[in-house]
Amino acid sequence: EIVLTQSPATLSLSPGDGVTLSCRASHSVGNLLAWFQHRPGQAPRLLIYDASNRATGIPARFSGRGSGTDFSLTISGLEPEDFATYYCQQRSQWLTFGGGTKVEIK
Amino acid sequence: QVQLQQSGPGLVTPSQTLSLTCVISGDSVSTKTVSWNWIRQSPSRGLEWLGRTYYRSYWYNDNEPSFRGRLIIDADTSRNQFSLHLSSLTPEDTAVYYCARGVSVGATLLDSWGQGTQVIVSS
Repeated sequence: EIVLTQSPATLSLSPGDGVTLSCRASHSVGNLLAWFQHRPGQAPRLLIYDASNRATGIPARFSGRGSGTDFSLTISGLEPEDFATYYCQQRSQWLTFGGGTKVEIK
Repeated sequence: QVQLQQSGPGLVTPSQTLSLTCVISGDSVSTKTVSWNWIRQSPSRGLEWLGRTYYRSYWYNDNEPSFRGRLIIDADTSRNQFSLHLSSLTPEDTAVYYCARGVSVGATLLDSWGQGTQVIVSS
């Protein structure tokens, strides 16, 4: 099983701040990594697929990069609706998810 | 735009079988380029992919190995929906369950999700 490790677990930030979230895979997943945003009580929302492609309707302030085992999601200028938990997910070998990074308001 | 509407019980007795349904609008359960998935989330185990069903002239299933033997995912083409049946429940199966569509190569990119169903396993 491919294990995804996200860091940090929690970030306390202010609206307007920039942030970069990390996701590390235990084995190479190529570029088959996605990022999701999850707000309480809502369905997870696909943000980035295949490491760096924004999903339909996702604002340009969200960007992803990486390949192999190291990936990152950058949000350039947090909007109030961006305070949520972010998960990475690989689909190279079955499907597994990271433990999530919660972005909370400072 | 595809929408997935989930239904099913919120409380289930241990050792019983959980059945959840996901009704699809904006796509067909028989579309040959997608898959229909179930995922769950609990505080102790995080997000777990459970399995999927998909149609490629025949119906196929893939289940996460740890759920084989007690997980069935099937489709109802007349109602355009798919369902999860998880047997031999224990309190460790308490979680929020989500259905999702898989697209792209391998139909493993989860692009649309249901709203989630909180399931509690308790006597």
